[in-house]
Amino acid sequence: EIVLTQSPGTLSLSPGERATLSCRASQSVNSIYLAWYQQKPGQSPRLLIYGASNRATGIPDRFSGSGSGTDFTLTISRLEPEDFAVYHCQHYGSSPLGTFGQGTKLEIK
Amino acid sequence: EVQLVESGGGLVQPGGSLRLSCAASGFAFSSYWMSWIRQAPGKGLEWVANIKKDGSEKYYVDSVKGRFTISRDNAKNSLDLQMNSLRAEDTAVYYCARPSHFGVYWGQGTLVTVSS
Repeated sequence: EIVLTQSPGTLSLSPGERATLSCRASQSVNSIYLAWYQQKPGQSPRLLIYGASNRATGIPDRFSGSGSGTDFTLTISRLEPEDFAVYHCQHYGSSPLGTFGQGTKLEIK
Repeated sequence: EVQLVESGGGLVQPGGSLRLSCAASGFAFSSYWMSWIRQAPGKGLEWVANIKKDGSEKYYVDSVKGRFTISRDNAKNSLDLQMNSLRAEDTAVYYCARPSHFGVYWGQGTLVTVSS
């Protein structure tokens, strides 16, 4: 079973700053199976990135994904007030069930 | 537009049962694997169960094996989750989901609370 570990658990930044969120897999994974989601309180997760680096429809270009093997990164180039939320990485495709990281909370400093 | 609408959540006593349903529309339901994913209050996301397109294969997270059953009716575009022997730790928002290599489509979720 692939375990995803996200870091940091909480990230405190100000609007306009750059955010870098990490997702590390317990073993090498195919990057096509790696996705990132944003979740705000009381809402379902929203797909941001699929295939490690492909932005989903309607996602602003300040969001970007990168990485391969065991290390993946979600970068938000210039934080907007609406970007403060919880971010989840997810792996699905090489085993019967998908897995999620434990989440990174991005909060306003 | 893909739509997934869950129903059936509520308050149930420990040891009780509940059946969740999901009505799917906007896509060829029988062509996709379907899933249930849950999120306990203040916690992360947990993949609960998957079912193959034709219902011939089903997979469960260890913590629900033998207690939960996922099923589908392709004629009605519906997905169900039968939950028996419920425990306090099953308290969560349960999402109906359509997984793919291009990401997951999510329903709005239905809250299940297991408490006496």
